Amino acid sequence: AQSVTQLGSHVSVSEGALVLLRCNYSSSVPPYLFWYVQYPNQGLQLLLKYTTGATLVKGINGFEAEFKKSETSFHLTKPSAHMSDAAEYFCAVTISSGGYNKLIFGAGTRLAVHP
Amino acid sequence: KAGVTQTPRYLIKTRGQQVTLSCSPISGHRSVSWYQQTPGQGLQFLFEYFSETQRNKGNFPGRFSGRQFSNSRSEMNVSTLELGDSALYLCASSLAGSTNEKLFFGSGTQLSVL
Repeated sequence: AQSVTQLGSHVSVSEGALVLLRCNYSSSVPPYLFWYVQYPNQGLQLLLKYTTGATLVKGINGFEAEFKKSETSFHLTKPSAHMSDAAEYFCAVTISSGGYNKLIFGAGTRLAVHP
Repeated sequence: KAGVTQTPRYLIKTRGQQVTLSCSPISGHRSVSWYQQTPGQGLQFLFEYFSETQRNKGNFPGRFSGRQFSNSRSEMNVSTLELGDSALYLCASSLAGSTNEKLFFGSGTQLSVL
């Protein structure tokens, strides 16, 4: 069964520092992987997704993630954190259930950015 | 294009009551999924509807039900509310609900059960 593990429920960085949010997945088949962001009192917004092809995926707001099959990882990075990046980030994997969309989310990582 | 609209935004109910939440997807989207978000359990999949048919269902009791109308709008119903049903309920839509599609989420309905 597919599952997602996000290492670190809280991450704190300084403004301008590197952001690294970790995600590992387990899947018996090649997965589709996603990163979503949730700002306070809002729904989730897609940052980026990996389906097939290039393993380095670029998303919105300067974020990118690299799919590493050998490590079953899909870590999210951003070279320089901005105060507006403070939010909760969710890694997710889709379950192949007759080809239909059923996302399994990780527990989330809350990112704090301090001056 | 208008986004996914969920109503009401906040809801307070007491134990034993029932509640109906509404979700209007993005125009042209035919797949609607529902998720429950709580601090303890995170985001959990409830069910997914496509063309008025439930295609997928998560591991929730039968008190949780839903439906989809011909205009793709969806409703979720919870009967005999329990304290543990207090959560943010998120609705998401996509064109066809296939595995590699982007989901568009609404802002959610915050349900408090007293």
